[in-house]
Amino acid sequence: KAGVTQTPRYLIKTRGQQVTLSCSPISGHRSVSWYQQTPGQGLQFLFEYFSETQRNKGNFPGRFSGRQFSNSRSEMNVSTLELGDSALYLCASMRGGSTDTQYFGPGTRLTVL
Amino acid sequence: KQEVTQIPAALSVPEGENLVLNCSFTDSAIYNLQWFRQDPGKGLTSLLLIQSSQREQTSGRLNASLDKSSGRSTLYIAASQPGDSATYLCAVSRETSGSRLTFGEGTQLTVNP
Repeated sequence: KAGVTQTPRYLIKTRGQQVTLSCSPISGHRSVSWYQQTPGQGLQFLFEYFSETQRNKGNFPGRFSGRQFSNSRSEMNVSTLELGDSALYLCASMRGGSTDTQYFGPGTRLTVL
Repeated sequence: KQEVTQIPAALSVPEGENLVLNCSFTDSAIYNLQWFRQDPGKGLTSLLLIQSSQREQTSGRLNASLDKSSGRSTLYIAASQPGDSATYLCAVSRETSGSRLTFGEGTQLTVNP
């Protein structure tokens, strides 16, 4: 059974640009969550999508947005990139219930110059 | 606001030693607690999930306990091996925010041959 996949794995952008990251969950999983990991702030929750609807949202500015498609694949978009957006972005998939195990992908390493 | 603390921040032990990692959380209204390991630059691997109604979970050489009322969890690793070297993270989900995970800062474990 294939795990969670994320593309691209590495990305370099400059300030002011926008970026789109993609996450494909484990087959049969309907929930996808996104997290940002930085050395200073650790792992922080961005948002969760379930059946194409945002079910949960963290405390990030509106520059961070996401969506989920009918096949459960999810994209995350960051507009007007700032240096502080440099981070490892992880997505996690889950079957659906709030008490299920979450399975993480390998992450996308975003560097903003 | 839920806060998760992990002690110690770093731990170095000789191979074969049994060890305990600690996790504490401030809000006892949790759905579940999950332990992960993260290898450098990689995603998270789920180790154990403990539901709020459970006291412990075991998988191979790993045993995790949960004392919800006191806001504590421990991860016990028996007969440590160099391959156990990684950062160990605990995360809790709250009753009011479903699948959203709040992470601790992690314990960086080094097992020396």
